Amino acid sequence: LAKTTQPISMDSYEGQEVNITCSHNNIATNDYITWYQQFPSQGPRFIIQGYKTKVTNEVASLFIPADRKSSTLSLPRVSLSDTAVYYCLVGAGRGSNDYKLSFGAGTTVTVRA
Amino acid sequence: EAGVAQSPRYKIIEKRQSVAFWCNPISGHATLYWYQQILGQGPKLLIQFQNNGVVDDSQLPKDRFSAERLKGVDSTLKIQPAKLEDSAVYLCASSEPQGGGGNTIYFGEGSWLTVV
Repeated sequence: LAKTTQPISMDSYEGQEVNITCSHNNIATNDYITWYQQFPSQGPRFIIQGYKTKVTNEVASLFIPADRKSSTLSLPRVSLSDTAVYYCLVGAGRGSNDYKLSFGAGTTVTVRA
Repeated sequence: EAGVAQSPRYKIIEKRQSVAFWCNPISGHATLYWYQQILGQGPKLLIQFQNNGVVDDSQLPKDRFSAERLKGVDSTLKIQPAKLEDSAVYLCASSEPQGGGGNTIYFGEGSWLTVV
């Protein structure tokens, strides 16, 4: 499983954009990059997933450079409710039945008023 | 669509006692996972099922932990005897391959275990 490295914590203010960069230097050809969000007392929640270039949904954007050795999760105009731990994971995709995700420590994002 | 259901939500037991957690995955999801999350850490995969077969249980402490998934749907995770260091949240998750893309894993709310 590809190992990921992401900052331990980040602070921001309401209305700002938060960008969290994750390094995954040994990502495999068929690995997808997935980001999860976890609030206290809840299970992780899927945010976004991508393979290459840029992916955008109603919650966030995911930027993946051509070499795929890193990725950046972008949260536009954060609010206090975006305070959470964010996990970057890489794992086999493309319909694989052997799909596992290995979580690191994640990035604790704290949004202040 | 109903999510991953887990019970009990909270459990407090004394060390050396036993405990069982139950999970009902999202309907139709063939893959089921059990993760252990200790406070302040990311979730750690304990066991992964594909239908009712075990795909990976390399990090499951088999001397005290056991899990089964009869009929390829519901699953039970058991700890016997419990140790203080087993205090954690036990997360159940399920997934189904997405057509033409990566898998997405959906997590339940977790079962909180405190061993005293």
